[in-house]
Amino acid sequence: DAGVTQSPTHLIKTRGQHVTLRCSPISGHKSVSWYQQVLGQGPQFIFQYYEKEERGRGNFPDRFSARQFPNYSSELNVNALLLGDSALYLCASNPPPDRVPLYGYTFGSGTRLTVV
Amino acid sequence: RKEVEQDPGPFNVPEGATVAFNCTYSNSASQSFFWYRQDCRKEPKLLMSVYSSGNEDGRFTAQLNRASQYISLLIRDSKLSDSATYLCVAFKYGNKLVFGAGTILRVKS
Repeated sequence: DAGVTQSPTHLIKTRGQHVTLRCSPISGHKSVSWYQQVLGQGPQFIFQYYEKEERGRGNFPDRFSARQFPNYSSELNVNALLLGDSALYLCASNPPPDRVPLYGYTFGSGTRLTVV
Repeated sequence: RKEVEQDPGPFNVPEGATVAFNCTYSNSASQSFFWYRQDCRKEPKLLMSVYSSGNEDGRFTAQLNRASQYISLLIRDSKLSDSATYLCVAFKYGNKLVFGAGTILRVKS
């Protein structure tokens, strides 16, 4: 059974460009979350989606957007890239809420975005 | 004040040592807590869930003190392979995971 898959693994973009990151959750999971991790810090929450609906949004500018598809995969889009957007972007596959205390969230291996 | 705070370290310990990490959280509505392990340039992986009664998994023991809003992780008989960043995490039902900045552990031979 596949875990959480993210693509691409690495990406280099120029300031002002836009980027689309992709994620497929664990089979059977209907919810995904996106996190940004800059060097030296813990992951910061960006978005959570459940059944294609946005269920939470972190303190990120409107340049960040996301969506979830009928097959529960998800995309994170970032427009007008800034140097400060350089980070590891992590997608988490979320089990049903009553199982979170036992299993936590499972993360994909991430997309490392470098903005130059 | 950050919602989850950890001592960043690094903790440099010899093999076989016992090491303890502490973490405090500010949101009393947080319901579940975890320790995640993150290796360099890799994704975080769940090490342990933390329960009020305390729980143990081999060489690892986690404790939660809700009154003091304090979480700890104890690692006994440290191995070289334990070298990593340990992330303290809080979760409120229906909400997001909130991560601390992580504590770096380096185990040396």
